[in-house]
Amino acid sequence: SQQGEEDPQALSIQEGENATMNCSYKTSINNLQWYRQNSGRGLVHLILIRSNEREKHSGRLRVTLDTSKKSSSLLITASRAADTASYFCATDALGGAQKLVFGQGTRLTINP
Amino acid sequence: AAGVIQSPRHLIKEKRETATLKCYPIPRHDTVYWYQQGPGQDPQFLISFYEKMQSDKGSIPDRFSAQQFSDYHSELNMSSLELGDSALYFCASSADRGPGELFFGEGSRLTVL
Repeated sequence: SQQGEEDPQALSIQEGENATMNCSYKTSINNLQWYRQNSGRGLVHLILIRSNEREKHSGRLRVTLDTSKKSSSLLITASRAADTASYFCATDALGGAQKLVFGQGTRLTINP
Repeated sequence: AAGVIQSPRHLIKEKRETATLKCYPIPRHDTVYWYQQGPGQDPQFLISFYEKMQSDKGSIPDRFSAQQFSDYHSELNMSSLELGDSALYFCASSADRGPGELFFGEGSRLTVL
């Protein structure tokens, strides 16, 4: 990957449990975003956290950002079968690069 | 609400042939991005355009070219296709040069035989 690693690469949990996915990146960033992708479909934006923010919430999603460790985590609470998808973090590098660089993604399976 | 439209959705080509993918961004979005995603891989940035000018370039092969037209739609042209070009090609648009939130199309699946 151009950016770094996501951990774990695959995660399987029971419906109702919480799912935590981690992302590491290599460069200093402006923002970090999380996207969701159902198999073979387009990516859908979930949440954006700025480099000067440490935590952000949106519904059942909670994102944290630690710029000193160049890492982020995405927590999905009270998971549902419909949350089954791949989740990618993406960053844009400090300095004005006009692109998002994606991590390798976590394949999340929610078992009913 | 209008979304990003990509065409064709599926494309089958032979080696050494040429393919053209089209992307129609969300109205009033002036930035377009192209990504390539191989099976089980993360999306790889190819190229982006802002106001019809190339704004950034990633790992796009010399065999590929792209442009953004006056109506803001974009086309990705791929020549001398190789087996390894088989992938999902996504177009995304955004309302600012940021990049902030990207809105992705459903992708064009290219299969090279």
